[in-house]
Formats: sequence, structure tokens, C-alpha cells
Amino acid sequence: GEDVEQSLFLSVREGDSSVINCTYTDSSSTYLYWYKQEPGAGLQLLTYIFSNMDMKQDQRLTVLLNKKDKHLSLRIADTQTGDSAIYFCAESMEYGGATNKLIFGTGTLLAVQP
Amino acid sequence: NAGVTQTPKFQVLKTGQSMTLQCAQDMNHEYMSWYRQDPGMGLRLIHYSVGAGITDQGEVPNGYNVSRSTTEDFPLRLLSAAPSQTSVYFCASSYRLGYGYTFGSGTRLTVV
Repeated sequence: GEDVEQSLFLSVREGDSSVINCTYTDSSSTYLYWYKQEPGAGLQLLTYIFSNMDMKQDQRLTVLLNKKDKHLSLRIADTQTGDSAIYFCAESMEYGGATNKLIFGTGTLLAVQP
Repeated sequence: NAGVTQTPKFQVLKTGQSMTLQCAQDMNHEYMSWYRQDPGMGLRLIHYSVGAGITDQGEVPNGYNVSRSTTEDFPLRLLSAAPSQTSVYFCASSYRLGYGYTFGSGTRLTVV
């Protein structure tokens, strides 16, 4: 079935690295995404990775993909208090033969302590 | 500013009332979707559209209608509001199949 799993909570100190983990189910997913949601706001696309890649780096963000284990991780270097938010992992799955839908995890709340 | 605009941001309805949640994007995206976000349930797909004049049902379509008369607009209609429709609703658009969706800021709906 469709299930994207994430741990619910992560607490780090400012300046440390944060690693948020996710496992997904659909091995045919072409794209995997990380979204950030701040309180009362919509979802902001942070980064994505193609399924044929193992790693993608984008400034302070590093995405690692282990296709064998269907495991995705997001590393945030030098975590700042402004990084405090909920982070959603999502996979793109074919739906209805005409579109893709995003299957979201339930989100990881990242709390950054000053 | 380019992006996805949702109105209203907040709404309270009485059971049985109807209303339309508005969604507009100015990025000329073909693909648009409506999701609802509920605690512990993540985001679930309500309806989607792959272009003007083409819509279809998602995972949880009951109680909702959509139309897509233009590329820019994708309104979501609640036919007869129920407390189970209390949720945060997000509209999203994408220019390419499977590519990352851009989300609006959401509409927080409470049905009493």
C-alpha cells in the first residue's frame, strides 16, 4: 500500500546538523521531495531528487537516496532557528493514468534550540 | 508575485452550507490539485486537473466538486458542508507531470 513514514520529532541545537529520515513504498516513484511547512503557512518545496540519483546537494541541504532500502534523508547543515518547521517527505506516484499524486509522510517537527 | 493564490484564508461554515474555495495560479501550469491536510492523516488528494476542461477525482472526492474553465483557476466547491470537512485545504500546481508542486498558503475551514 501507499505509506511514507517519518519520525515525528527531532530536536537539535543551533549550529548542529539535522538529519530527517523517511521511508517510502513505491519503487517506481520518479521524483522524491522534501517540503517545509512553517506554522500557519503552506508547503514550500525545499528540494527534490530524481530516482536515478543517490545524492543531491543544494547549499545547506543534502538529500541522500537509498533505492534498495527505499530510504530518503534530508541533512540540514549549520541548522538555524529559522529552520524550525515541519518537514514532509513525499513521493510522486502515478494516479488515474493521467497524472501523478504526491504521497506525503505525516511530517517531522524540527525544533532548533538556541 | 508569481505563485498559487488561495482565498479565503479562514472560513467558518454551518453544517449544510455551501461555499467555494478559490485557487488561482499565474505560472501557466497545466496540472492543478486540491489536497486536504488533517492531523495524523498527512495530505490527501481530493480532485485534480491535467488541463483546462479536464478534471478527475482523487482519493477523497465525496462532498466536493471542481471545475477548470481556464488554465489559471481551479475552484473547489463544498456542496453541503459537514463537520468531517473541517480541515486545511491546499491548492497546488505543477508545469510538468510528476514535477514538484507549488502550493498555496491554504484555507483553514471549520464546519460547525
